Amino acid sequence: DAGVIQSPRHEVTEMGQEVTLRCKPISGHNSLFWYRQTMMRGLELLIYFNNNVPIDDSGMPEDRFSAKMPNASFSTLKIQPSEPRDSAVYFCASSKQGNRETQYFGPGTRLLVL
Amino acid sequence: QKEVEQDPGPLSVPEGAIVSLNCTYSNSAFQYFMWYRQYSRKGPELLMYTYSSGNKEDGRFTAQVDKSSKYISLFIRDSQPSDSATYLCAIQGAQKLVFGQGTRLTINP
Repeated sequence: DAGVIQSPRHEVTEMGQEVTLRCKPISGHNSLFWYRQTMMRGLELLIYFNNNVPIDDSGMPEDRFSAKMPNASFSTLKIQPSEPRDSAVYFCASSKQGNRETQYFGPGTRLLVL
Repeated sequence: QKEVEQDPGPLSVPEGAIVSLNCTYSNSAFQYFMWYRQYSRKGPELLMYTYSSGNKEDGRFTAQVDKSSKYISLFIRDSQPSDSATYLCAIQGAQKLVFGQGTRLTINP
């Protein structure tokens, strides 16, 4: 059974460019989470969707970040324009229902903004 | 003050040692307590989950919760090199899961 799939696994871009990260949750899971992990701040929740609807986006740093979930099997996290301080590992996770169920994490996307 | 505090380490111990990893939290409303393990360049995976105060054991791993002190611990007995990873505590609040900084653990053969 495939786990959470993220692409790309690595992304190197220049400041000011648009970055799009992609996630495919585990089939049958209704909740999807985007996290960012840095050495300084640890693992932080950016946004979480339930049944494709954003429930909590209070962790989204600023308007440069946006996330969508057009259907149950796909989500994107977009950064436009990107800045060097956005460099981090971005994880997508999914759970069967809500944020009280076990979350299963993808392998992450390592983003470096030069 | 952070909602969840965890010593980032790093922590290095010899194989076979007992390892103790700890977190403190500030909000007494937190109810569910978890430990995630994260291998290098991988996503975190759930290791243990507990709700109440007291101990929960799973093989060589024991999770301990002291709600009166707002303190949680993970003990690893007979530690193995394969236990080398970053361990993150995670605490479930009303709205979201809050993670500690993670402690990087190395078990030396």
